Amino acid sequence: QVTLRETGPALVKTTQTLTVTCTFSGFSLSSAGMCVSWLRQSPGKAPEWLALIDWDGDKYYSPSLETRLTISKDPSKNQVLLTVTNVDPMDTATYYCARSSTEYKSVSGYQNYFDPWGQGILVTVSP
Amino acid sequence: EIVMTQTPRSLPVSPGEPASVSCTSSQSLRDSDGGHIYVDWYLQRPGESPQVLIYSLSHRASGVPDRFSGGGSVTEFTLKISRVAAEDVGLYYCMQRLEYPYTFGQGTKLE
Repeated sequence: QVTLRETGPALVKTTQTLTVTCTFSGFSLSSAGMCVSWLRQSPGKAPEWLALIDWDGDKYYSPSLETRLTISKDPSKNQVLLTVTNVDPMDTATYYCARSSTEYKSVSGYQNYFDPWGQGILVTVSP
Repeated sequence: EIVMTQTPRSLPVSPGEPASVSCTSSQSLRDSDGGHIYVDWYLQRPGESPQVLIYSLSHRASGVPDRFSGGGSVTEFTLKISRVAAEDVGLYYCMQRLEYPYTFGQGTKLE
């Protein structure tokens, strides 16, 4: 069974750096095709994809936030980290991590949809 | 980036009735390699994380009841529920993963 769990601070102050950790089980990020993404969801809004790291260490970022985001992995600990620098109240959101795969099937193409998601962690940025 | 637009934003439905959610993309979501259309549907029940229902336009995810179906063209997509059940209440989102950044529709609240 694949599970992911997000941990980190519940409250950070404006201009500080936020680091959230995704600890997962049931798969290895060292296995070809495995990927982990970070997404966030501000209150009352749709989810927003932030960043992805794959088994090979390649990283992809949302262009609107790329200068403030860093995604990294520690396969030995089954963890993926996301750092957000210079936070402000607009970064208040529930942060999720989710697994995806680059496996290709002829019937349905690349299997890089998000499944499953972690439970999420609500991070509030105070002024 | 690709913009996803969902309608309606709210969908009141009685149990046992059918329901339909629409989503359009600002550009084609068909890839140039295998011709697959990379749009997915997620359900977020109250207080829960999103879960995938439909991937690659029309493929039901594991464990998803067959009352859920997805279809459409390269820019217009539809999620259908043949007979709404009480546990289907929540927010439905379409998402494109043809290219980065992956983007979501604004959501449809089924109630």
